[in-house]
Amino acid sequence: SAVISQKPSRDICQRGTSLTIQCQVDSQVTMMFWYRQQPGQSLTLIATANQGSEATYESGFVIDKFPISRPNLTFSTLTVSNMSPEDSSIYLCSVSPIGPSGRYEQFFGPGTRLTVL
Amino acid sequence: ELKVEQNPLFLSMQEGKNYTIYCNYSTTSDRLYWYRQDPGKSLESLFVLLSNGAVKQEGRLMASLDTKARLSTLHITAAVHDLSATYFCAVETSGSRLTFGEGTQLTVNP
Repeated sequence: SAVISQKPSRDICQRGTSLTIQCQVDSQVTMMFWYRQQPGQSLTLIATANQGSEATYESGFVIDKFPISRPNLTFSTLTVSNMSPEDSSIYLCSVSPIGPSGRYEQFFGPGTRLTVL
Repeated sequence: ELKVEQNPLFLSMQEGKNYTIYCNYSTTSDRLYWYRQDPGKSLESLFVLLSNGAVKQEGRLMASLDTKARLSTLHITAAVHDLSATYFCAVETSGSRLTFGEGTQLTVNP
């Protein structure tokens, strides 16, 4: 399995500011994703972070609000822009390396717990 | 739009009992995941089910997949307190994107 780290692990931010979350993987991976988990809810995919090109966003998520970078095969960032209290969530990156079975599996990072005041 | 429905959403059971969590989904998929989440923690991968009829077991947990019925089950045998957590199923679609069920919050009581 891949070892995934995220920074920061948690943060408390003021309304109207922006926060950039980093995701680092210990090996090169083809696919990287960003998910959001709102309090007491399930996970929702924000976007696929594409290496060398613009991210692919899911319905309801836009680049201006959640800009994503993926400069190489082991690293990605997600920025939450112009934050409001509704953005308070856990943000998780996930990766899809090829597992022992030779097929893709998906592993999740530890998450970034964001509180917006 | 793909829908993934789990039931029950809340499950309180006694130690030693058996129970099954169901995961129904609305579109064709050949790959389904089960994850565990403890409070305040990230997701731990439990099972990846890759084809119709797939069955996997790990300890007291067994997962199966019926792609024709679009149904996966997570069976718990002789539950113990350590199994208390929230369990999610997730269906993979094109581009390895995951759509999650609502989650089943399991509490195992002594």
